[in-house]
Amino acid sequence: DAGVIQSPRHEVTEMGQEVTLRCKPISGHDYLFWYRQTMMRGLELLIYFNNNVPIDDSGMPEDRFSAKMPNASFSTLKIQPSEPRDSAVYFCASSAPDRPNTEAFFGQGTRLTVV
Amino acid sequence: SQQGEEDPQALSIQEGENATMNCSYKTSINNLQWYRQNSGRGLVHLILIRSNEREKHSGRLRVTLDTSKKSSSLLITASRAADTASYFCATDDEGGYNKLIFGAGTRLAVHP
Repeated sequence: DAGVIQSPRHEVTEMGQEVTLRCKPISGHDYLFWYRQTMMRGLELLIYFNNNVPIDDSGMPEDRFSAKMPNASFSTLKIQPSEPRDSAVYFCASSAPDRPNTEAFFGQGTRLTVV
Repeated sequence: SQQGEEDPQALSIQEGENATMNCSYKTSINNLQWYRQNSGRGLVHLILIRSNEREKHSGRLRVTLDTSKKSSSLLITASRAADTASYFCATDDEGGYNKLIFGAGTRLAVHP
């Protein structure tokens, strides 16, 4: 398996534009997590899914953020409209069905810069 | 909010020395995990210790868990320059429906 795949790797956009980040989890994994990493706040859990259903979105910072998982092999994180303070590295991770005692596998991240 | 807090925030050592990082957390957990992140990369899982375990080894890694003190430590023995990275603890909250929450991390620099 190729691991968790995120796209794009880098995104530069202007304030006010819509940004969509994409994630393909490892096949067979039924948990998917979205994290945001910044120097100031560290790694924050934004939202996570189990079997394509959002379980906890309490970490989503504002209504400008939304996430979907239309099927087991694809998830998106959308920011609309984007703001400079959204600049961060966004990670997607997935884990296998026998959680909670299994590891999470991370993608390489999307570095978002909002100017 | 962060569950685990690592200590120290940064650690600088020479190759061959041992590196010890500590993690404290706040709530009851199912397990505690340690991850490594090289600069500009995603996190990679190192080791998982369950709440009913006290110590675990994997190669040059040794992890301890003290649930009474809500703390864990990661020891890297005979460090190498390639161990230079950030190390994070993550807790799987017992009451958190399988949420995985990360601490702030320890930046380790191993000098040749």
